[in-house]
Amino acid sequence: AQTVTQSQPEMSVQEAETVTLSCTYDTSENNYYLFWYKQPPSRQMILVIRQEAYKQQNATENRFSVNFQKAAKSFSLKISDSQLGDTAMYFCAFEGGSEKLVFGKGTKLTVNP
Amino acid sequence: EAGVAQSPRYKIIEKRQSVAFWCNPISGHATLYWYQQILGQGPKLLIQFQNNGVVDDSQLPKDRFSAERLKGVDSTLKIQPAKLEDSAVYLCASSTREGLGSHNEQFFGPGTRLTVL
Repeated sequence: AQTVTQSQPEMSVQEAETVTLSCTYDTSENNYYLFWYKQPPSRQMILVIRQEAYKQQNATENRFSVNFQKAAKSFSLKISDSQLGDTAMYFCAFEGGSEKLVFGKGTKLTVNP
Repeated sequence: EAGVAQSPRYKIIEKRQSVAFWCNPISGHATLYWYQQILGQGPKLLIQFQNNGVVDDSQLPKDRFSAERLKGVDSTLKIQPAKLEDSAVYLCASSTREGLGSHNEQFFGPGTRLTVL
């Protein structure tokens, strides 16, 4: 069974600075998807960024980018120019051949003014 | 485009009582998911529907949980009887996934927070 590990329960960053959230996963599959979701206090899960495992190029969405290391099974999220609205829980998730999303336990990110 | 709707937003019940949650997916989305999110954890898939058929319910505690998706649109998730450990946020999501091997983004609703006393 796939597992997703987020080793940082909480992190904080100053507004306008850069922060990196870590995620590792375990799988024997070769083709899969990895995701970062944001969950603000409103509880609505919002997709931040997606990476296909067969793509070597790291995904980027505006201020959000990933560092995907397939051999190391590592998938970190970098948030540049942090904004107050980035304050939320961030979940790393894996989807393989079973097409089920498997989530990590999350990292609570606080952006300080 | 309207998002995934869920109701109620909050529910407080006593243990051994019954409760039901409702989900209306995005129009045209064939696949619907129910997740359970216990405080301090990530969401866990309970059941996945493709149209009105069940694709995966391997993690649904079938002795007390049931779900249905009539006419392939709205869905209800029921707990009967509830236990203290059922206190969680129940999230509904939908996607346009057409079949195995394809991938489409899951869109989540705002969730229902259940407290069992």
